[in-house]
Amino acid sequence: DIQLTQSPSSVSASVGDRVTITCRASQGISSWLAWYQQKPGKAPKLLIYAASSLQSGVPSRFSGSGSGTDFTLTISSLQPEDFATYYCQQANSFPFTFGPGTKVDIK
Amino acid sequence: EVQLVESGGGLVKPGGSLRLSCAASGFSFSSYSMNWVRQAPGKGLEWVSYFTSSSSYIYYADSVKGRFTISRDNAKNSLYLQMNSLRAEDTAVYYCARDHSVVAHAFDIWGQGTMVTVSS
Repeated sequence: DIQLTQSPSSVSASVGDRVTITCRASQGISSWLAWYQQKPGKAPKLLIYAASSLQSGVPSRFSGSGSGTDFTLTISSLQPEDFATYYCQQANSFPFTFGPGTKVDIK
Repeated sequence: EVQLVESGGGLVKPGGSLRLSCAASGFSFSSYSMNWVRQAPGKGLEWVSYFTSSSSYIYYADSVKGRFTISRDNAKNSLYLQMNSLRAEDTAVYYCARDHSVVAHAFDIWGQGTMVTVSS
């Protein structure tokens, strides 16, 4: 199985800050990576697919990059509604796996 | 509106069974592959099972293989998860999720989830 690690596990940030989250895969997955945002008590929401493609309706302050084993999710200017937990997910092979999550909270 | 609505969760004793349903609306259900994903209380996301649109392929996570069965009824726009021999570690919110319309295996539409609690 492909393992995903995320760093940091949590980050405290202020509105307007630039936030970068890293996801590393245990083996190469080309660009088969997605990013999700989840707020407490809610279902996850797809932000980025194919490593860098912005899902329809998602604000352009979210961006993704990377390929192979190393990926990043960047929020260019953190907004109040962005405080949430973020997960990466590999879509390269079964079983699909998720990273452990990165919690973004208010400094 | 594109929507997925899960139902069927509840409290069940260890060793018991439960059948979850996911009703789809607002899109051509038969054209999409579908998934079940779960989340234990306070924990991360775990993919559970996958069913292709063509009904040709089914996959399971090792943690549920042999105990859970995924199925779909395209005429009823519904996805199902039959869960047998339930264990305490199966306690979770279960989400159904649609495979992305452009790139396979990213999940672009999620239901609100249904809670399954396995406890004596």
